[in-house]
Amino acid sequence: NAGVTQTPKFQVLKTGQSMTLQCAQDMNHNSMYWYRQDPGMGLRLIYYSASEGTTDKGEVPNGYNVSRLNKREFSLRLESAAPSQTSVYFCASREVLRTEAFFGQGTRLTVV
Amino acid sequence: AQSVAQPEDQVNVAEGNPLTVKCTYSVSGNPYLFWYVQYPNRGLQFLLKYITGDNLVKGSYGFEAEFNKSQTSFHLKKPSALVSDSALYFCAVLRSNDYKLSFGAGTTVTVRA
Repeated sequence: NAGVTQTPKFQVLKTGQSMTLQCAQDMNHNSMYWYRQDPGMGLRLIYYSASEGTTDKGEVPNGYNVSRLNKREFSLRLESAAPSQTSVYFCASREVLRTEAFFGQGTRLTVV
Repeated sequence: AQSVAQPEDQVNVAEGNPLTVKCTYSVSGNPYLFWYVQYPNRGLQFLLKYITGDNLVKGSYGFEAEFNKSQTSFHLKKPSALVSDSALYFCAVLRSNDYKLSFGAGTTVTVRA
C-alpha cells in the first residue's frame, strides 16, 4: 500500500519556467490537498479538492493552478515559477469528513 | 485569518519530564482537531484526533491531548518525554461545515538526555 505518492522528490527551476507537481493516492480518498511548508510559517494550504470534479482555493493560491484529474490524482502547476515559490510542497488525502489526512513525502522545489 | 495558533515556536524539556505543546483554535461551530508530528526530511505523521465525545484523547507513542471548548484549546501532552520525541509538531483544525484543513505554524520540541 503506497499511500500518497508525490513526484518528483526534488526539482530546481529557473525563474519563469513552468512545471507540474504530481500527486496520486491509492486509498480511494475523496478529498485531496496541496500545502507548502516554509520555515516559521508551518503548512499553508494552497488548494484543496473536496471531491472529484471540485477544487477550491486555500490560503495562498496565487501563482498556482490545480487539476483534479480523477479520484486518485491531484496535480499542482506553477505556470511561471518565482523565487518566492521555493518551498517544500506536500500533498495529502482524506476519506470522509472526520478522518485524519495522510501525507506524501514532499517535493523540495528550488527556484533560482 | 489564522484558525490555529501554536504560541510556542520551541519547547525544550529533559528526558523523563512531562511534555506539553500548546494549541488554540478559532473556528466557528464544532471543530475537528488533530495533532501531527514531522521528523526531519519526512512527511507528516498522524498522532491523534478529537472529533466528539471524551475530551481526553489518547494517540500514538504515548501522546494524549485534551480538548477544552471554553478555552478553545487542544494541548498535546506526554507524561514522560523521550529523546526520540524530538521533532516538529503541528496542530490542525477541520471546520465542521467544509473540508478545509488548516495547520498551525508548528512547535519544535527538543528533548535533552
